[in-house]
Amino acid sequence: QKEVEQNSGPLSVPEGAIASLNCTYSDRGSQSFFWYRQYSGKSPELIMFIYSNGDKEDGRFTAQLNKASQYVSLLIRDSQPSDSATYLCAAEGGYNQGGKLIFGQGTELSVKP
Amino acid sequence: SAVISQKPSRDICQRGTSLTIQCQVDSQVTMMFWYRQQPGQSLTLIATANQGSEATYESGFVIDKFPISRPNLTFSTLTVSNMSPEDSSIYLCSVGTVSGELFFGEGSRLTVL
Repeated sequence: QKEVEQNSGPLSVPEGAIASLNCTYSDRGSQSFFWYRQYSGKSPELIMFIYSNGDKEDGRFTAQLNKASQYVSLLIRDSQPSDSATYLCAAEGGYNQGGKLIFGQGTELSVKP
Repeated sequence: SAVISQKPSRDICQRGTSLTIQCQVDSQVTMMFWYRQQPGQSLTLIATANQGSEATYESGFVIDKFPISRPNLTFSTLTVSNMSPEDSSIYLCSVGTVSGELFFGEGSRLTVL
């Protein structure tokens, strides 16, 4: 069974610190990986995606992918209280599974002022 | 990204009844999906809504319980049939892009008494 695993948290960091969110996946056929942010009572919103090994930066967010270790991470620099939310990692469902994502259980992040 | 509208946004239903959730997209999309998010849980894919043909259901979900229609490239409905309290959940319509990104509607929060 294809799985995506995340620590449920909560992860608490002080304002201005770097928050590090981690994710592992089981299906080596997955090629693309996605990070979503979900505020309480809201639907998930896409932050960024990555499909190449290495780092991908977008503003304060950096996604990291290591396919050999089947590991994805999201770094949030200069964390703000407004970043407090649940972060969902998702993996593409594998070859010929276009558009179907498998989600982890999410990590709750709390940024303390 | 496309604007995805769902209705109802929330509803309280009685056990044994059925509810139909509508999803309207402001542009034509090829890939359309229905996800469920149970309280405190992550997202689980129910089915892929196929335009003009029967939906493709994931393991654990069946057409009799979750009939889906997709008459065109901008609209889909999900019916939750013969509801029980275990069906209390958020139901999310989503659309996929060719690059694999997935965007979600606001969700329909269903409570079954």
